[in-house]
Amino acid sequence: GQNIDQPTEMTATEGAIVQINCTYQTSGFNGLFWYQQHAGEAPTFLSYNVLDGLEEKGRFSSFLSRSKGYSYLLLKELQMKDSASYLCAVMDSNYQLIWGAGTKLIIKP
Amino acid sequence: DGGITQSPKYLFRKEGQNVTLSCEQNLNHDAMYWYRQDPGQGLRLIYYSQIVNDFQKGDIAEGYSVSREKKESFPLTVTSAQKNPTAFYLCASSAAGEANEQYFGPGTRLTVT
Repeated sequence: GQNIDQPTEMTATEGAIVQINCTYQTSGFNGLFWYQQHAGEAPTFLSYNVLDGLEEKGRFSSFLSRSKGYSYLLLKELQMKDSASYLCAVMDSNYQLIWGAGTKLIIKP
Repeated sequence: DGGITQSPKYLFRKEGQNVTLSCEQNLNHDAMYWYRQDPGQGLRLIYYSQIVNDFQKGDIAEGYSVSREKKESFPLTVTSAQKNPTAFYLCASSAAGEANEQYFGPGTRLTVT
């Protein structure tokens, strides 16, 4: 079966750095997406990785290792507004997105 | 402003009633999707459409129906056959092409009692 695993919840301190991991087992691979979702709101796109390596976008970076079935989202200089759920999704061989359950990130002052 | 709209934000229905959730986009996207989100679970695909007048079942289509008569619109009907309809429903769209990001609407929270 297809499976995406991410931690259920993480806590970090304002101004610090946090890494959210995602491991996957899917039928084929056509890229990995990270989305941010504030409670009760729509998910918003953060990043897309299809090749191995690190993609940096401001305070957020995303890493992919296809051989390990592994990705992480790195958030730097954490702000209170970063408190949200972070969703990992993999596009399978049929170009359908398989979603993880999300990681709820709690930022403390 | 381009985007996706879903209405209403909150919807309450009695068991046994059908209900239709609206989804409209003005992004000129060909593909549209309906997901269901339940606590502690990933988004689950209900139906998707890649072109007008055509749609396919997702992983959990039973008890739901859709139509795609216009490019901009992809309404979802939750029928009385859906055993556990209370959930947060998200509509999304994406441009043509196979690995494009999906843009989401604000969601409709449906409560059936």
